[in-house]
Amino acid sequence: EPEVTQTPSHQVTQMGQEVILRCVPISNHLYFYWYRQILGQKVEFLVSFYNNEISEKSEIFDDQFSVERPDGSNFTLKIRSTKLEDSAMYFCASWPPGQGTKNIQYFGAGTRLSVL
Amino acid sequence: KQEVTQIPAALSVPEGENLVLNCSFTDSAIYNLQWFRQDPGKGLTSLLLIQSSQREQTSGRLNASLDKSSGRSTLYIAASQPGDSATYLCAVTPFGSGYALNFGKGTSLLVTP
Repeated sequence: EPEVTQTPSHQVTQMGQEVILRCVPISNHLYFYWYRQILGQKVEFLVSFYNNEISEKSEIFDDQFSVERPDGSNFTLKIRSTKLEDSAMYFCASWPPGQGTKNIQYFGAGTRLSVL
Repeated sequence: KQEVTQIPAALSVPEGENLVLNCSFTDSAIYNLQWFRQDPGKGLTSLLLIQSSQREQTSGRLNASLDKSSGRSTLYIAASQPGDSATYLCAVTPFGSGYALNFGKGTSLLVTP
């Protein structure tokens, strides 16, 4: 079965550094998402991406965050200057075309970001 | 703003028991509701999706119901097994959300042999 792939599985960085989290969504999917889950808390929506642009973003997704789909296969989340509170598991998800809301979102295994 | 709540936060049952996990949401304007399974340190696996026009969905030993008017969903697990131990998350897709999911905090289930 096709799957969403995320790399790296664990990223350790120093506060203030830039990080890029990478995702390869399922190839024929059209909507792409980033979510995050701080340890012990619920999964929170960050941003959705459709037709090469952001379709929606949450209050969490401020100017420190950006997303790109640079080459038609990868989907990246960049955090420009990491803070301690950015430490979380980051999940990428993709959503197929057709049948609209009858389709599930497919999630990657996540990248655990640890900011020291 | 849509709020999703799951009760109980944690549950421990002996193997073989039938159990019910609860999910409630504050705004009935949703496209669908999904139940996910999350194993420790892992990603999310979709178990069942119920469209807003549907009342229930079944997959094997799992049955999910939806009462949109009262803002409630239940996940029924029959004949629980130790392999069912995981966190179960409920998520809704609200209208006008760009189809982003709004999650509850989850119920952590432990099934003991």
